Amino acid sequence: AQSVSQHNHHVILSEAASLELGCNYSYGGTVNLFWYVQYPGQHLQLLLKYFSGDPLVKGIKGFEAEFIKSKFSFNLRKPSVQWSDTAEYFCAVKIVSNDYKLSFGAGTTVTVRA
Amino acid sequence: KAGVTQTPRYLIKTRGQQVTLSCSPISGHRSVSWYQQTPGQGLQFLFEYFSETQRNKGNFPGRFSGRQFSNSRSEMNVSTLELGDSALYLCASSLDSGSSHEQYFGPGTRLTVT
Repeated sequence: AQSVSQHNHHVILSEAASLELGCNYSYGGTVNLFWYVQYPGQHLQLLLKYFSGDPLVKGIKGFEAEFIKSKFSFNLRKPSVQWSDTAEYFCAVKIVSNDYKLSFGAGTTVTVRA
Repeated sequence: KAGVTQTPRYLIKTRGQQVTLSCSPISGHRSVSWYQQTPGQGLQFLFEYFSETQRNKGNFPGRFSGRQFSNSRSEMNVSTLELGDSALYLCASSLDSGSSHEQYFGPGTRLTVT
């Protein structure tokens, strides 16, 4: 069965620090990849997505992610975080075949200290 | 364009009762998916509807059911509620259920079963 692993449960860092959140998935075929963010009290929002093409994708709010097919990974990065980046981050994978569901990782809570 | 809306936002029910949650997708979106979010299990896929047909179903008991109407609005029903059904129920819509279509999430319905 498809699974999605996020390496860190909780990350705490200071403003201006760099952020990298790991995501690995287990399916060997073609996938669509997503990162969603859930700010406190708000609904899930799409940060960025990868369907095909350039494996380095840029999203909103200065986030980017790199798809490394050989490592089944889709890590999220931001060079310099702000206090407003405090949120929960979810990696999600959709198998491009006959499956229509998104499989989510467990999520990583990011706390940015001012 | 209005986002995904879900009603009601909060609901308190007693064990054994049933509940119906409603979701209105973004205008023009024909696919609606439902997810259950809990602190212990994270985000888990319930089912997906496209053009009034259920296309995929997650690993939930038959007490969880849904339907989609011709205007793409969707409802999910949970019968014989159990304490463990307490969760945030999220609805997501997309243009289609195939690849290269991201899902947009609503704010969720917070269900508490007492």
